[in-house]
Amino acid sequence: LAKTTQPISMDSYEGQEVNITCSHNNIATNDYITWYQQFPSQGPRFIIQGYKTKVTNEVASLFIPADRKSSTLSLPRVSLSDTAVYYCLVGENRDDKIIFGKGTRLHILP
Amino acid sequence: GAVVSQHPSRVICKSGTSVKIECRSLDFQATTMFWYRQFPKKSLMLMATSNEGSKATYEQGVEKDKFLINHASLTLSTLTVTSAHPEDSSFYICSAVGRQETQYFGPGTRLLVL
Repeated sequence: LAKTTQPISMDSYEGQEVNITCSHNNIATNDYITWYQQFPSQGPRFIIQGYKTKVTNEVASLFIPADRKSSTLSLPRVSLSDTAVYYCLVGENRDDKIIFGKGTRLHILP
Repeated sequence: GAVVSQHPSRVICKSGTSVKIECRSLDFQATTMFWYRQFPKKSLMLMATSNEGSKATYEQGVEKDKFLINHASLTLSTLTVTSAHPEDSSFYICSAVGRQETQYFGPGTRLLVL
């Protein structure tokens, strides 16, 4: 299972774009990169998933360089409600178990 | 789509009693579900992998006789905390592999053992 490294915490302001980078140097060929968001006392919520290059959905973008050893979650124009912990996870999905890292505690300021 | 529910959302019990937590995939079938626990300000810790029709696989350090897991159908897995003690108080979260082979998480169950 590929280990991931993320910043422990980040602060930003409302309306800004926030980029959270995750390192996964030991990512395997069949591994996908998935990001989850977790609010206090709630289960993690799926944000986005990708394998390579760029993926975009209605809430975020995910940038993955060619070597796939890192990835960046981009949140456009954040609001106070985006304050949460964000987890970067790497694995094959399907029945593969996920080992959570410490995540990044994002704090959005007014 | 890809909704996972847990019941109850929170439970308080006396020390020594057993508590059952249900995890259901509401609109998809899941041959594999996972159980996690989370302490305040900490990350999720995987406890076990629940496989439909077979025995669960427990992570190192997790007592299988204390945390009983049953995955009787493709939409239901249960976690029973037996002879609960105050140190078992935690936030328990399940997940199920759904569409596009992505794991979807339940809302969690807050257990408080008095």
